[in-house]
Amino acid sequence: GQNIDQPTEMTATEGAIVQINCTYQTSGFNGLFWYQQHAGEAPTFLSYNVLDGLEEKGRFSSFLSRSKGYSYLLLKELQMKDSASYLCAVRDQNQGGKLIFGQGTELSVKP
Amino acid sequence: EAQVTQNPRYLITVTGKKLTVTCSQNMNHEYMSWYRQDPGLGLRQIYYSMNVEVTDKGDVPEGYKVSRKEKRNFPLILESPSPNQTSLYFCASSVRQGDIIYEQYFGPGTRLTVT
Repeated sequence: GQNIDQPTEMTATEGAIVQINCTYQTSGFNGLFWYQQHAGEAPTFLSYNVLDGLEEKGRFSSFLSRSKGYSYLLLKELQMKDSASYLCAVRDQNQGGKLIFGQGTELSVKP
Repeated sequence: EAQVTQNPRYLITVTGKKLTVTCSQNMNHEYMSWYRQDPGLGLRQIYYSMNVEVTDKGDVPEGYKVSRKEKRNFPLILESPSPNQTSLYFCASSVRQGDIIYEQYFGPGTRLTVT
């Protein structure tokens, strides 16, 4: 089966850097996604990793290590609007069209 | 504007009264999916569709039906809703290449309450 673990909640200060970790166990890993979700709204796509290494997109970066079953999302220069839930999701090639989501990490950015 | 739309956005209904939540996308995506989101349980997939007339069960399909008669539409049907189906529902779509599903675009959500 699949198992995805993320911290339930984190707190950080405006202007700082925060790293949100995600570990996964899956039989046929074939890609990892990060989504941002503000309360009551739809998830929006942030990043995608399928090979090991770092993907950078402005203030957001995502890292993947397939051998360790580990990813992180790095948010730099935090802004108040970054307060949201961050969802890690894994694509498993043995599961056809399924995308398995973690429970999400609730990030609170404080002044 | 590229988007996924869902209707209704909010619905309060009673146990046993059949309902349909519509989902439509204008991006010509082959892949579409329905999720429910509950506190402490995250997003769980109900059903998905790789193409027209092709649908498969996700992790929590019990009590739900779907159909995919056209590429753009993927309605979710609750034949006999029960209170445990009270939840926030999201429809999503994405590009598909073979078995590879790319980033999903989500609709705005439908908040369903069954009393």
